[in-house]
Amino acid sequence: EPEVTQTPSHQVTQMGQEVILRCVPISNHLYFYWYRQILGQKVEFLVSFYNNEISEKSEIFDDQFSVERPDGSNFTLKIRSTKLEDSAMYFCASTPAWVPGTDTQYFGPGTRLTVL
Amino acid sequence: AQSVTQPDIHITVSEGASLELRCNYSYGATPYLFWYVQSPGQGLQLLLKYFSGDTLVQGIKGFEAEFKRSQSSFNLRKPSVHWSDAAEYFCASRGAFGNEKLTFGTGTRLTIIP
Repeated sequence: EPEVTQTPSHQVTQMGQEVILRCVPISNHLYFYWYRQILGQKVEFLVSFYNNEISEKSEIFDDQFSVERPDGSNFTLKIRSTKLEDSAMYFCASTPAWVPGTDTQYFGPGTRLTVL
Repeated sequence: AQSVTQPDIHITVSEGASLELRCNYSYGATPYLFWYVQSPGQGLQLLLKYFSGDTLVQGIKGFEAEFKRSQSSFNLRKPSVHWSDAAEYFCASRGAFGNEKLTFGTGTRLTIIP
């Protein structure tokens, strides 16, 4: 069964450094998402992406964050200057289309980001 | 705005006992509802979903959930839990458009005792 993959599984970085989290959504899916889960808290939406542009973003997704689909398979989340509070598990998700019954979001295993 | 409430932070159940995890939603129209499970160190796995039709939906691993519009609830049930069901369970909702973001509840941590 196709699945969403994410790399790396764990990233440790120093405060102020840039990080790029990578995701390979399920092929033929059209919508892509990033969510994050701070330890012990609920999963929060960050951004959705469709047709090479941001569809929606949350208030968390400020100028320090950016997303990109650099080629036909990867979907990346960049944090330009990491802060301690960016430490979290970051999940990528994808969904096929606007067809009811098929538009379930499938999640990757996550990247745990630790900012020191 | 949508919101999802999971009133129980932590539930402990004996192996073989029945389970019910509560979920309440707030949304102006009929939401699309989901239950995801997160095992320790793992990602989010979809257990089941409700879009329309039969209000009792079956999922994987023997789970089922019932949508009750009058109570704005979508509770998850399993008749007999196994030790491997120990995990964090998240209820989520979204609107009718397929690309809308998911709104998650705070999760319920399930502990299974022998």
